[in-house]
Amino acid sequence: DTGVSQDPRHKITKRGQNVTFRCDPISEHNRLYWYRQTLGQGPEFLTYFQNEAQLEKSRLLSDRFSAERPKGSFSTLEIQRTEQGDSAMYLCASSIRDREEKLFFGSGTQLSVL
Amino acid sequence: AQSVAQPEDQVNVAEGNPLTVKCTYSVSGNPYLFWYVQYPNRGLQFLLKYITGDNLVKGSYGFEAEFNKSQTSFHLKKPSALVSDSALYFCAVRDMRGGRDDKIIFGKGTRLHILP
Repeated sequence: DTGVSQDPRHKITKRGQNVTFRCDPISEHNRLYWYRQTLGQGPEFLTYFQNEAQLEKSRLLSDRFSAERPKGSFSTLEIQRTEQGDSAMYLCASSIRDREEKLFFGSGTQLSVL
Repeated sequence: AQSVAQPEDQVNVAEGNPLTVKCTYSVSGNPYLFWYVQYPNRGLQFLLKYITGDNLVKGSYGFEAEFNKSQTSFHLKKPSALVSDSALYFCAVRDMRGGRDDKIIFGKGTRLHILP
C-alpha cells in the first residue's frame, strides 16, 4: 500500500493558463474523488469516478474544469483559463466502494493563480 | 440532495475536560457517517465511521461518536481532551440509498482548540 499520490505538490500559474494535476490512487481502489479545499474550510466535492466512469460532476463547477480516469487507474484534473478564484488545494482521495467505504487522501496539489 | 452541517466554527476545551464537536446531516435514505481529522500541514485522516449497528461508535485516538437518527446528528466526543487533539475536524456523509447521493460530502469543519 503506497498510498494516494498527487503530482505536482505545488503549482504556480498565471491567470488564463491551463493546468493539469495527476492523481494515482491506491491500486485496488475502484473509486476516486476530487475535492477542492481553501484555507480553514471543508473539502468541496468536485467530481468522482467508479473505475473509468465519471459518476457526477459538481453543478457548482464551471466548464473550465474537466477530469478523466481513462483506464480506471490514475486520474487527471484539468483547469482551463485559470482564474484567481481557482487558487486552492486540490485533493484526491480513493476508496473501495463497499459498505465500509473509507477515503484515503493524497497530500494535495496547492494551486496559486497569479 | 444530502447535506452536512457543523454549526460551530471553533470549539475551545480545557485539557482533561470532555469534548463534543457537533454535526447534523440530511439524506433521503439511511446515512453512512464519518469523521475525519486534519492536523496542521497534514492530509485528512479517517477517524471513525457509522454504517449500521450500535449508535455509539469508537474510533482512533480515543474518539467516539454517537448516531442519533431522530435528531439527525452524529456528534464527535472524547471523555478527556489532550492538547494534541487540537486540529480541524470534518464530518462527512454518504447516502446509503445510492444514486445521485452516493458520493461522500464534507462539512465546513470545526477547529478544536485544547487549552493547556
